Amino acid sequence: QSAPTQPRSVSGSPGQSVTISCTGTSSDVGGYNYLSWYQHHPGKAPKLMIFDVNKRPSGVPDRFSGSKSGNTASLTISGLQGEDEADYYCCSYAGSSTVVFGGGTKVTVL
Amino acid sequence: EVQLLESGGGLVQPGGSLRLSCAASGFIFSNYAMSWVRQAPGKGLEWVSSISGTGGNTFYADSVKGRFTISRDNAKNTLYLQVNSLRADDTAVYYCAKGWSSFPLDSWGQGTLVTVSS
Repeated sequence: QSAPTQPRSVSGSPGQSVTISCTGTSSDVGGYNYLSWYQHHPGKAPKLMIFDVNKRPSGVPDRFSGSKSGNTASLTISGLQGEDEADYYCCSYAGSSTVVFGGGTKVTVL
Repeated sequence: EVQLLESGGGLVQPGGSLRLSCAASGFIFSNYAMSWVRQAPGKGLEWVSSISGTGGNTFYADSVKGRFTISRDNAKNTLYLQVNSLRADDTAVYYCAKGWSSFPLDSWGQGTLVTVSS
């Protein structure tokens, strides 16, 4: 079971939008709508940003949105802010009560 | 407010063992499945293991199967991970998280560092 593929890094200026892709297989990303995204500032606890492909937990700004098409899921951050600079991981259900994380993407705010 | 506090990490020699703990508060612990996720230095997040709310069902990543054991004490609101036969590539920050399987990991602890080195 290999990790879904994410770009190693993306960047954008404040106010711009960035999109992070998460490409897996029909056994994980493409097979289920249990796809979540986590924000991780180094040294801190990871934070759930999106679950079930496109749902936001309470308290997460609506600048964060998720989508999926086939074996690829995407996280879009609109109106980029300095505090959004962090590592982002997708995570997909992979059957038999297991999950698999993507390799992670570093978002840099220029 | 959900709080998860890991402990038990440290420096251990290859082949050694540790027991990691995660003290939970702010929710009805026995109602929720729990998971362990780790992050090796310079690497991404890796799911390690999950356990159902009753403790009756457990699941492991292939990389730790047979060496790690997840358990819980619902009376003490505490999650455990017994890590045995440790290898250098087990060196990581270990996080406990609330959730599992098709349910998102909606709360996380700050992590505990396990370093395997001679």
